[in-house]
Amino acid sequence: GDSVTQMEGPVTLSEEACLTINCTYTATGYPSLFWYVQYPGEGLQLLLKATKADDKGSNKGFEATYRKETTSFHLEKGSVQVSDSAVYFCALNRDDKIIFGKGTRLHILP
Amino acid sequence: DTGVSQDPRHKITKRGQNVTFRCDPISEHNRLYWYRQTLGQGPEFLTYFQNEAQLEKSRLLSDRFSAERPKGSFSTLEIQRTEQGDSAMYLCASSLAQGATGELFFGEGSRLTVL
Repeated sequence: GDSVTQMEGPVTLSEEACLTINCTYTATGYPSLFWYVQYPGEGLQLLLKATKADDKGSNKGFEATYRKETTSFHLEKGSVQVSDSAVYFCALNRDDKIIFGKGTRLHILP
Repeated sequence: DTGVSQDPRHKITKRGQNVTFRCDPISEHNRLYWYRQTLGQGPEFLTYFQNEAQLEKSRLLSDRFSAERPKGSFSTLEIQRTEQGDSAMYLCASSLAQGATGELFFGEGSRLTVL
């Protein structure tokens, strides 16, 4: 069945470092792809999305590009902040449902 | 609107007891989803409603689990004869969009601990 695989955490970086969290997917057809984020003590919220191949989603300095050739949707940010510390989930849609990866915990040190 | 709210936020129960969780979605949203999340895992789909109709249940969902959305507004998730393996965070989400290209809005979850 359809699934999402993302890099295991935790990932620990210093403030202002570059971030990449890898995500690959397995799906029939071309699903929409998402990154959701869960900040400490809060509910999951959508960070960005892309609905077709070569689309780039962006928000809050984060970007991810839908790569059909490599079935990937890697999350990137050029300069992370302490406030970016959270758990990040890669996800795809299938038959009106969102299927999530296991999540990657990110710690940013001041 | 204050977003998706869930109640209770935390429930501790003994094995074999029944528990019920409530979810109040964003008022104009016609779709409501239930997910389960265990430590170190992503949210796992359980079931979803469009208005009052339950459109799909996960094959992983035991017969001890039942969900309702009687008037197309709030929803309840009941677990009968709880087992220790039911311990998890139960997440509710709602959306407006037809199809899953739209955004899901999540509540903060109801954490269940079965002793």
